[in-house]
Amino acid sequence: DAKTTQPPSMDCAEGRAANLPCNHSTISGNEYVYWYRQIHSQGPQYIIHGLKNNETNEMASLIITEDRKSSTLILPHATLRDTAVYYCIVSSGGNRDDKIIFGKGTRLHILP
Amino acid sequence: DAGVTQSPTHLIKTRGQQVTLRCSPKSGHDTVSWYQQALGQGPQFIFQYYEEEERQRGNFPDRFSGHQFPNYSSELNVNALLLGDSALYLCASSFGQYSPLHFGNGTRLTVT
Repeated sequence: DAKTTQPPSMDCAEGRAANLPCNHSTISGNEYVYWYRQIHSQGPQYIIHGLKNNETNEMASLIITEDRKSSTLILPHATLRDTAVYYCIVSSGGNRDDKIIFGKGTRLHILP
Repeated sequence: DAGVTQSPTHLIKTRGQQVTLRCSPKSGHDTVSWYQQALGQGPQFIFQYYEEEERQRGNFPDRFSGHQFPNYSSELNVNALLLGDSALYLCASSFGQYSPLHFGNGTRLTVT
């Protein structure tokens, strides 16, 4: 089973920041938080990941609470192309020691 | 630099038949994972291959089997196809611990 809880859907106005929450209250000390998104008819695309510190890259920012029980993915200036299903995943040991389990994700609608 | 490539892109089979799906990982990646994605659902983990061995397996019956070749490419085989096997089959590759997954765009399998 997925170790995360996400709202099933969210709306965001184009040009505004999209803030996608994720709850992972049972996260272990060695588990990272990963975010992927899936645009219709394509494979999931990696966005960002982090352990405990906030992270930023060219796509998004990841804010992880101090107790690491929740996180927020921030798309700073949402565009229509950001309409997708966003998946939050926690995993330890990367890809050889742990299964990467997807939940149902959050369907983000960017409104023009 | 080619990403993850999967073939074929679409496939139609009849119940009871067998199917083989193929995946070439991203250059430099040595680990391949396979996922099944039913319509409207998140990707479900099938299994992962590293060093030509199955390292992790999800909750899928033995009808689902795989192989990894010395060049790191991989095959997914499904025997005795059922209507419920109709789905998008995704291949993902990675390298090293905590490395994000890179996905192909999948093979759409329809079982009639």
